[in-house]
Amino acid sequence: DAKTTQPPSMDCAEGRAANLPCNHSTISGNEYVYWYRQIHSQGPQYIIHGLKNNETNEMASLIITEDRKSSTLILPHATLRDTAVYYCIVRPLGSSGSARQLTFGSGTQLTVLP
Amino acid sequence: DGGITQSPKYLFRKEGQNVTLSCEQNLNHDAMYWYRQDPGQGLRLIYYSQIVNDFQKGDIAEGYSVSREKKESFPLTVTSAQKNPTAFYLCASSRWRAVMDTQYFGPGTRLTVL
Repeated sequence: DAKTTQPPSMDCAEGRAANLPCNHSTISGNEYVYWYRQIHSQGPQYIIHGLKNNETNEMASLIITEDRKSSTLILPHATLRDTAVYYCIVRPLGSSGSARQLTFGSGTQLTVLP
Repeated sequence: DGGITQSPKYLFRKEGQNVTLSCEQNLNHDAMYWYRQDPGQGLRLIYYSQIVNDFQKGDIAEGYSVSREKKESFPLTVTSAQKNPTAFYLCASSRWRAVMDTQYFGPGTRLTVL
């Protein structure tokens, strides 16, 4: 997986939008950007993924820059339950064998404050 | 509800004992995976299975064994040969033949060797 860089921690006030950045300057043309989060002592939860267009689902929005070298995950109205470590991952399409494994970096610890 | 279940949530083992961790999914996914997570670290792939009765070693398979007799089930046995088994174990599943193979995770099993 291509290397990603995320800030180690961020705070956000409850009810405000949380914007989590990720740099992936070495991303290849066939690699998707995935976001997962992990609440303490729980399994990782899939949030969203995208290739080059902005994406939105019931959990979040993903904004990918035109050059695809960075992206931002947006939680529009953060709640206390959104406090977690957020991981940005890039993965190629059609991986085979053990290349399908997910490689999590250190992620961003998001703390939503009351 | 569709999803992945793991049991037990917490498991304690004496040195020299084998233990088996359960993973079941009702998502009709072909592929299943076992990862290990140590404190403050990312995921490491132990074993994965693309199809029933077939499985492959990941990066850290030594001291572990698996079976895949049913599509829904992928149990992991931690043997006495595993030198440092205390960790958080995560099971995941995904479609295999699809180009997009988003992995979905179970809640995890925390194993402690006494």
